[in-house]
Amino acid sequence: AQSVTQPDIHITVSEGASLELRCNYSYGATPYLFWYVQSPGQGLQLLLKYFSGDTLVQGIKGFEAEFKRSQSSFNLRKPSVHWSDAAEYFCAVGATGGFKTIFGAGTRLFVKA
Amino acid sequence: DTAVSQTPKYLVTQMGNDKSIKCEQNLGHDTMYWYKQDSKKFLKIMFSYNNKELIINETVPNRFSPKSPDKAHLNLHINSLELGDSAVYFCASSARVSGRTDTQYFGPGTRLTVL
Repeated sequence: AQSVTQPDIHITVSEGASLELRCNYSYGATPYLFWYVQSPGQGLQLLLKYFSGDTLVQGIKGFEAEFKRSQSSFNLRKPSVHWSDAAEYFCAVGATGGFKTIFGAGTRLFVKA
Repeated sequence: DTAVSQTPKYLVTQMGNDKSIKCEQNLGHDTMYWYKQDSKKFLKIMFSYNNKELIINETVPNRFSPKSPDKAHLNLHINSLELGDSAVYFCASSARVSGRTDTQYFGPGTRLTVL
């Protein structure tokens, strides 16, 4: 069965420090992978997605993610975190032939000054 | 222009009441969704419509009934509200790419509180 695991429920980083949020997926074929961000009181917004091609994907707000098939991972990175990055981050995988997108449980990012 | 809009943003009501949430998208997408997000931020798919046809109907109490009058609208009606229905409800829409769901665009959410 398809699944998405985000091992970290919450992460705290200092402003200006680098960030990596982990995501592992279980999927039989080549996955469509997404990272979404949810700021407090708002809906989810797409940060970036991977469908095919270059395994290093650039997104908005300075985020990037790398698809590693051998590790079934799609980790999100940012070289220097800003206080405004504090939010909930969701990794997701799109299923073939169906209409469901499977979301991970989310990782809450706290940024300290 | 708002891509996906929901009304109302907040809904406070008593147990046993019936309420509706409305959703509209102006992106021209064929597929729309309802999600429930609980207090731990877990997102659960409830329903999905594609071209006005119900295609996803997860294990949801039949007190919840979606309706899609056209491709741009998806409403959610809830009968006999219970305390456990308190949550944030998100509407979303998406296009399809190579037989799979592309980026989903989410509305701002409706925070439902049942007293």
